[in-house]
Amino acid sequence: GESVGLHLPTLSVQEGDNSIINCAYSNSASDYFIWYKQESGKGPQFIIDIRSNMDKRQGQRVTVLLNKTVKHLSLQIAATQPGDSAVYFCAERDTGRRALTFGSGTRLQVQP
Amino acid sequence: SAVISQKPSRDICQRGTSLTIQCQVDSQVTMMFWYRQQPGQSLTLIATANQGSEATYESGFVIDKFPISRPNLTFSTLTVSNMSPEDSSIYLCSVASRGTTNEKLFFGSGTQLSVL
Repeated sequence: GESVGLHLPTLSVQEGDNSIINCAYSNSASDYFIWYKQESGKGPQFIIDIRSNMDKRQGQRVTVLLNKTVKHLSLQIAATQPGDSAVYFCAERDTGRRALTFGSGTRLQVQP
Repeated sequence: SAVISQKPSRDICQRGTSLTIQCQVDSQVTMMFWYRQQPGQSLTLIATANQGSEATYESGFVIDKFPISRPNLTFSTLTVSNMSPEDSSIYLCSVASRGTTNEKLFFGSGTQLSVL
């Protein structure tokens, strides 16, 4: 079936550096993508989203890039802080569904 | 964003018993979903909780094992029946807010279930 996956299971960065978390998806019918952050013991927290008619969207310290040609999604975090340490999931939604399909997750570790 | 309350937050249960998890939202929502997150893994959709009708289950999940209720637009329950250690997971309620074009899904804090 269709799936969403991630290239890197763990990413370790120095505080203040920029982080890039990647995600590949396989469902060409996906029209909406979201990045979530999950801290230990908590549910996923919405970070940023992007629709398939866009290729870039910026938020506060975060940018999401979408490349539909190669079915690739990335999350860029500027000036990474210790509070950014968490597991990050990409998720996609098929045009025919309301639920999200989640990728396997990347753990971001920020070194002080 | 919707405020989602899940109860219990965690439980330790004996094999063969059942646990009902409650999800309460502070506003009316169009869609409610139940996800499972096994240890160290991503989220897997169990079912869509439909208001006033039977839930829609994903492949690999059945009503006898995971009965779901949704009596109104703000409340749903998920029961994990006849539990085994393989059911040890985090169970998450998720909702989509009414009236939004891009329906962000919001999540509760989850129920950490351990089955002995």
